[in-house]
Amino acid sequence: NAGVMQNPRHLVRRRGQEARLRCSPMKGHSHVYWYRQLPEEGLKFMVYLQKENIIDESGMPKERFSAEFPKEGPSILRIQQVVRGDSAAYFCASSSPGQGAVLITDTQYFGPGTRLTVL
Amino acid sequence: GQQLNQSPQSMFIQEGEDVSMNCTSSSIFNTWLWYKQDPGEGPVLLIALYKAGELTSNGRLTAQFGITRKDSFLNISASIPSDVGIYFCAGPYTGTASKLTFGTGTRLQVTL
Repeated sequence: NAGVMQNPRHLVRRRGQEARLRCSPMKGHSHVYWYRQLPEEGLKFMVYLQKENIIDESGMPKERFSAEFPKEGPSILRIQQVVRGDSAAYFCASSSPGQGAVLITDTQYFGPGTRLTVL
Repeated sequence: GQQLNQSPQSMFIQEGEDVSMNCTSSSIFNTWLWYKQDPGEGPVLLIALYKAGELTSNGRLTAQFGITRKDSFLNISASIPSDVGIYFCAGPYTGTASKLTFGTGTRLQVTL
């Protein structure tokens, strides 16, 4: 039973390029969350998605960042025109909904992260 | 917004010692989660607490949900080298079932 998978594990981009980060949730999970972690800090929520829907993107920067979770395939976090300040570890988590709705105690399982370095 | 402060920020302990760390919040949480993050990996859930005053154990780990709902404690007994890592407390944003607020982390290093 594979856990949450993320690729690539490490990504190097030059300023101005695009970064695409992929996340495959655990089998049977239909909810995906993206978090960003700067060095020596905790994780910060970015966006919460269900299949084909963005539920909460309150943590996403207004420009250059976008996320999707298509009906088929992994969730993608896209960063356009990357800048040095985008260098961070990006983590994806997935969960399975409770009976009828997402519960507060819905356990989020995290992937190993993608470490983005912008030169 | 909600903030979670953890202390100590880091600690060095000797193998076999007991460890205590805590997490405090400026606002009430209805659920407290404790995660451990190993270097280069994602956080792994250790313990979840759902009720004020609750005390829950998982092997050598014991966590408590504070009565005021504004704090939580994690204890590790008889530490071993594989306990090295960063421990984060986390909780769901008030009124939102999904997104988590993470604490600032406690970095644990064990000396042999």
